Amino acid sequence: EDQVTQSPEALRLQEGESSSLNCSYTVSGLRGLFWYRQDPGKGPEFLFTLYSAGEEKEKERLKATLTKKESFLHITAPKPEDSATYLCAVQESGGSYIPTFGRGTSLIVHP
Amino acid sequence: NAGVTQTPKFQVLKTGQSMTLQCAQDMNHEYMSWYRQDPGMGLRLIHYSVGAGITDQGEVPNGYNVSRSTTEDFPLRLLSAAPSQTSVYFCASSSNRQGVQHFGDGTRLSIL
Repeated sequence: EDQVTQSPEALRLQEGESSSLNCSYTVSGLRGLFWYRQDPGKGPEFLFTLYSAGEEKEKERLKATLTKKESFLHITAPKPEDSATYLCAVQESGGSYIPTFGRGTSLIVHP
Repeated sequence: NAGVTQTPKFQVLKTGQSMTLQCAQDMNHEYMSWYRQDPGMGLRLIHYSVGAGITDQGEVPNGYNVSRSTTEDFPLRLLSAAPSQTSVYFCASSSNRQGVQHFGDGTRLSIL
């Protein structure tokens, strides 16, 4: 069973059509939850870190939220340049510092 | 601002050949790690290091060796390449245990 599950696997939106990506996790204690963006042929690029339930972070059209069991990445009025794969990673308390990654959500925004 | 540099960007090997994937960072980060990324599988940890001279195994270490003789470099060695090791390999570094990971742009490896 995966510790970090992302849904949906793929998402197609029209430009301006807002939506949310989900990341659920099953670690017993959360040290931190990370969101990354990955463009084709590139390495993941950091977006946000969340540490405790109720925390929110925003950057341009993206907003990340955290509860005790899941995180959401809300995309408001997306543009074609938001097309990418979005990765969620969870760092467990008491373990190694290395986060465990989900399998990602591939987002395509059509003009 | 070089960040994390991986070489080569592409490589084709024959089964049984050995090679070293290079990773260098210029941010003086203590923590470095190697991942492989396969379609539908996400990023899986191969090996990681918390400082020069210290390495440990990740989720999928078999068939790979690492060493960390300097802070800057963290090479990944394939001892005897197998088709199952065809993948995209990413190196990452971070400044501390709660730090953000900085990734290179990957090495695309095909083993025939």
